Amino acid sequence: QKEVEQDPGPLSVPEGAIVSLNCTYSNSAFQYFMWYRQYSRKGPELLMYTYSSGNKEDGRFTAQVDKSSKYISLFIRDSQPSDSATYLCAMNMDTGRRALTFGSGTRLQVQP
Amino acid sequence: GAVVSQHPSWVICKSGTSVKIECRSLDFQATTMFWYRQFPKQSLMLMATSNEGSKATYEQGVEKDKFLINHASLTLSTLTVTSAHPEDSSFYICSADLLAGARTDTQYFGPGTRLTVL
Repeated sequence: QKEVEQDPGPLSVPEGAIVSLNCTYSNSAFQYFMWYRQYSRKGPELLMYTYSSGNKEDGRFTAQVDKSSKYISLFIRDSQPSDSATYLCAMNMDTGRRALTFGSGTRLQVQP
Repeated sequence: GAVVSQHPSWVICKSGTSVKIECRSLDFQATTMFWYRQFPKQSLMLMATSNEGSKATYEQGVEKDKFLINHASLTLSTLTVTSAHPEDSSFYICSADLLAGARTDTQYFGPGTRLTVL
Protein backbone atom coordinates (compact mmCIF):
# COMPACT_ATOMS: atom_id res chain seq x y z
CA GLN A 1 0.00 0.00 0.00
CA LYS A 2 1.33 3.40 -0.96
CA GLU A 3 1.76 5.95 1.79
CA VAL A 4 -0.12 8.53 -0.25
CA GLU A 5 -2.93 7.66 -2.65
CA GLN A 6 -4.12 10.01 -5.35
CA ASP A 7 -6.45 9.33 -8.27
CA PRO A 8 -4.34 9.80 -11.44
CA GLY A 9 -7.27 10.96 -13.54
CA PRO A 10 -7.37 12.36 -16.11
CA LEU A 11 -10.06 14.72 -14.91
CA SER A 12 -11.73 16.78 -17.61
CA VAL A 13 -14.00 19.71 -16.70
CA PRO A 14 -15.50 22.66 -18.57
CA GLU A 15 -14.14 26.13 -18.02
CA GLY A 16 -15.67 27.77 -14.95
CA ALA A 17 -16.31 24.51 -13.11
CA ILE A 18 -15.31 23.82 -9.55
CA VAL A 19 -12.60 21.18 -9.39
CA SER A 20 -12.07 18.88 -6.44
CA LEU A 21 -8.77 17.03 -6.10
CA ASN A 22 -8.11 14.60 -3.26
CA CYS A 23 -5.46 12.54 -1.54
CA THR A 24 -5.57 10.02 1.25
CA TYR A 25 -2.64 8.96 3.35
CA SER A 26 -1.96 6.15 5.76
CA ASN A 27 0.74 7.49 8.07
CA SER A 28 -0.61 9.67 10.87
CA ALA A 29 2.91 11.09 11.35
CA PHE A 30 2.39 13.35 8.33
CA GLN A 31 1.83 16.85 9.66
CA TYR A 32 2.53 19.23 6.78
CA PHE A 33 0.51 19.11 3.60
CA MET A 34 1.16 20.76 0.26
CA TRP A 35 -0.32 20.96 -3.19
CA TYR A 36 1.92 21.44 -6.18
CA ARG A 37 1.06 22.16 -9.80
CA GLN A 38 3.26 20.67 -12.47
CA TYR A 39 3.05 21.58 -16.12
CA SER A 40 4.34 19.10 -18.65
CA ARG A 41 8.13 18.73 -18.57
CA LYS A 42 8.48 21.33 -15.80
CA GLY A 43 9.31 21.22 -12.10
CA PRO A 44 6.53 21.36 -9.47
CA GLU A 45 5.29 24.75 -8.35
CA LEU A 46 3.97 25.17 -4.81
CA LEU A 47 0.31 26.22 -4.69
CA MET A 48 -0.79 25.69 -1.11
CA TYR A 49 0.74 24.74 2.20
CA THR A 50 -1.24 23.74 5.27
CA TYR A 51 -0.44 22.40 8.68
CA SER A 52 -3.57 22.12 10.76
CA SER A 53 -6.91 20.54 10.00
CA GLY A 54 -9.40 22.88 8.38
CA ASN A 55 -9.53 25.10 5.34
CA LYS A 56 -7.04 27.52 3.87
CA GLU A 57 -8.00 29.81 1.02
CA ASP A 58 -5.80 31.62 -1.49
CA GLY A 59 -7.59 33.25 -4.38
CA ARG A 60 -9.39 30.58 -6.40
CA PHE A 61 -7.71 27.78 -4.45
CA THR A 62 -8.88 26.23 -1.18
CA ALA A 63 -6.94 23.52 0.62
CA GLN A 64 -8.72 21.33 3.11
CA VAL A 65 -7.15 18.96 5.61
CA ASP A 66 -8.93 16.37 7.73
CA LYS A 67 -6.31 14.68 9.86
CA SER A 68 -8.82 12.44 11.61
CA SER A 69 -9.76 10.90 8.26
CA LYS A 70 -6.26 11.24 6.77
CA TYR A 71 -7.75 13.05 3.81
CA ILE A 72 -6.75 16.25 2.06
CA SER A 73 -8.41 18.15 -0.75
CA LEU A 74 -7.73 21.00 -3.13
CA PHE A 75 -10.63 22.94 -4.60
CA ILE A 76 -10.24 25.18 -7.63
CA ARG A 77 -13.04 27.65 -8.26
CA ASP A 78 -13.82 29.17 -11.65
CA SER A 79 -11.36 26.81 -13.34
CA GLN A 80 -9.48 28.15 -16.36
CA PRO A 81 -7.80 26.40 -19.30
CA SER A 82 -4.50 27.62 -17.84
CA ASP A 83 -5.19 25.43 -14.79
CA SER A 84 -4.70 22.38 -17.01
CA ALA A 85 -1.77 20.59 -15.43
CA THR A 86 -0.92 17.73 -13.10
CA TYR A 87 -1.64 18.41 -9.45
CA LEU A 88 0.48 16.66 -6.88
CA CYS A 89 -0.26 16.40 -3.21
CA ALA A 90 2.78 16.16 -0.95
CA MET A 91 3.30 15.78 2.73
CA ASN A 92 5.98 15.77 5.36
CA MET A 93 6.47 14.60 8.92
CA ASP A 94 7.39 16.75 11.86
CA THR A 95 10.61 14.84 12.47
CA GLY A 96 13.20 17.07 10.88
CA ARG A 97 13.21 14.94 7.75
CA ARG A 98 12.40 17.54 5.17
CA ALA A 99 12.06 15.44 2.04
CA LEU A 100 8.52 15.27 0.73
CA THR A 101 6.34 12.24 0.04
CA PHE A 102 4.29 12.82 -3.08
CA GLY A 103 1.05 11.41 -4.37
CA SER A 104 1.04 10.10 -7.92
CA GLY A 105 -0.59 13.27 -9.26
CA THR A 106 -3.95 13.97 -10.89
CA ARG A 107 -3.96 15.21 -14.45
CA LEU A 108 -6.52 17.98 -14.93
CA GLN A 109 -7.81 19.23 -18.26
CA VAL A 110 -10.01 22.32 -18.31
CA GLN A 111 -11.89 22.57 -21.58
CA PRO A 112 -12.51 26.09 -22.95
CA GLY B 1 10.30 33.82 -4.86
CA ALA B 2 13.52 31.86 -4.68
CA VAL B 3 14.81 30.41 -7.93
CA VAL B 4 16.40 27.04 -8.53
CA SER B 5 17.96 26.22 -11.86
CA GLN B 6 19.04 22.95 -13.39
CA HIS B 7 21.46 22.31 -16.19
CA PRO B 8 21.11 20.82 -18.68
CA SER B 9 17.36 20.87 -19.22
CA TRP B 10 17.62 17.79 -21.38
CA VAL B 11 20.38 15.41 -22.38
CA ILE B 12 20.69 12.42 -24.67
CA CYS B 13 23.61 10.07 -24.15
CA LYS B 14 24.83 6.67 -25.21
CA SER B 15 24.57 3.68 -22.94
CA GLY B 16 27.64 3.33 -20.73
CA THR B 17 28.51 7.01 -20.56
CA SER B 18 28.23 9.28 -17.52
CA VAL B 19 26.05 12.35 -17.27
CA LYS B 20 26.33 15.22 -14.80
CA ILE B 21 23.30 17.30 -13.81
CA GLU B 22 23.71 20.56 -11.92
CA CYS B 23 21.25 22.09 -9.46
CA ARG B 24 21.82 25.69 -8.43
CA SER B 25 20.01 27.96 -5.98
CA LEU B 26 20.32 31.32 -7.73
CA ASP B 27 19.43 33.85 -5.06
CA PHE B 28 19.70 32.00 -1.78
CA GLN B 29 21.91 29.54 0.02
CA ALA B 30 20.73 26.00 0.50
CA THR B 31 22.31 23.75 3.08
CA THR B 32 20.14 20.89 1.87
CA MET B 33 19.10 19.88 -1.61
CA PHE B 34 16.99 16.92 -2.63
CA TRP B 35 17.14 14.86 -5.80
CA TYR B 36 13.96 13.27 -7.14
CA ARG B 37 13.29 11.06 -10.14
CA GLN B 38 10.02 11.03 -12.04
CA PHE B 39 9.06 8.41 -14.60
CA PRO B 40 6.35 9.22 -17.18
CA LYS B 41 2.93 9.68 -15.61
CA GLN B 42 4.31 8.81 -12.19
CA SER B 43 5.03 10.88 -9.15
CA LEU B 44 8.31 12.18 -7.84
CA MET B 45 10.36 9.62 -5.97
CA LEU B 46 13.08 10.83 -3.63
CA MET B 47 16.50 9.50 -4.56
CA ALA B 48 18.77 11.23 -2.08
CA THR B 49 19.25 14.12 0.28
CA SER B 50 22.30 16.24 -0.38
CA ASN B 51 23.87 18.17 2.49
CA GLU B 52 26.53 20.79 1.92
CA GLY B 53 29.93 19.59 3.03
CA SER B 54 28.89 16.06 3.89
CA LYS B 55 27.95 12.80 2.23
CA ALA B 56 24.54 12.45 0.66
CA THR B 57 21.89 10.24 2.22
CA TYR B 58 20.41 7.81 -0.27
CA GLU B 59 16.95 6.28 -0.21
CA GLN B 60 16.58 2.54 -0.03
CA GLY B 61 17.10 0.94 -3.42
CA VAL B 62 19.08 3.82 -4.90
CA GLU B 63 22.65 2.83 -5.79
CA LYS B 64 25.02 5.41 -4.35
CA ASP B 65 27.86 4.28 -6.62
CA LYS B 66 25.70 4.79 -9.68
CA PHE B 67 24.17 8.11 -8.70
CA LEU B 68 27.01 10.23 -7.38
CA ILE B 69 25.99 13.37 -5.53
CA ASN B 70 28.27 16.24 -4.65
CA HIS B 71 27.18 19.31 -2.68
CA ALA B 72 30.38 21.31 -2.58
CA SER B 73 28.88 24.74 -2.00
CA LEU B 74 25.76 26.30 -0.55
CA THR B 75 24.43 27.04 -4.02
CA LEU B 76 25.38 23.99 -6.06
CA SER B 77 24.65 20.28 -5.94
CA THR B 78 25.49 17.87 -8.74
CA LEU B 79 24.10 14.48 -9.62
CA THR B 80 26.23 12.26 -11.83
CA VAL B 81 24.62 9.23 -13.40
CA THR B 82 27.52 6.86 -14.01
CA SER B 83 27.51 4.21 -16.71
CA ALA B 84 24.01 5.19 -17.72
CA HIS B 85 21.65 2.61 -19.17
CA PRO B 86 18.30 2.98 -20.93
CA GLU B 87 16.44 2.20 -17.71
CA ASP B 88 17.98 5.33 -16.19
CA SER B 89 16.07 7.44 -18.68
CA SER B 90 13.84 9.66 -16.58
CA PHE B 91 13.06 13.20 -15.47
CA TYR B 92 15.41 14.26 -12.66
CA ILE B 93 14.27 17.12 -10.45
CA CYS B 94 16.11 18.81 -7.61
CA SER B 95 14.74 20.95 -4.82
CA ALA B 96 16.59 23.30 -2.53
CA ASP B 97 15.80 24.00 1.10
CA LEU B 98 15.76 27.74 1.77
CA LEU B 99 16.36 27.55 5.46
CA ALA B 100 16.93 24.41 7.45
CA GLY B 101 14.50 24.10 10.32
CA ALA B 102 11.95 26.44 8.75
CA ARG B 103 8.58 25.50 7.36
CA THR B 104 8.40 22.97 4.61
CA ASP B 105 7.05 25.50 2.12
CA THR B 106 10.53 26.89 1.82
CA GLN B 107 11.53 24.09 -0.56
CA TYR B 108 11.87 25.27 -4.13
CA PHE B 109 12.01 22.96 -7.12
CA GLY B 110 14.14 23.20 -10.21
CA PRO B 111 12.66 22.86 -13.70
CA GLY B 112 13.95 19.32 -14.11
CA THR B 113 16.38 17.57 -16.45
CA ARG B 114 15.15 15.02 -18.94
CA LEU B 115 17.69 12.25 -19.47
CA THR B 116 17.39 9.88 -22.40
CA VAL B 117 19.89 7.03 -22.61
CA LEU B 118 20.09 5.34 -25.99
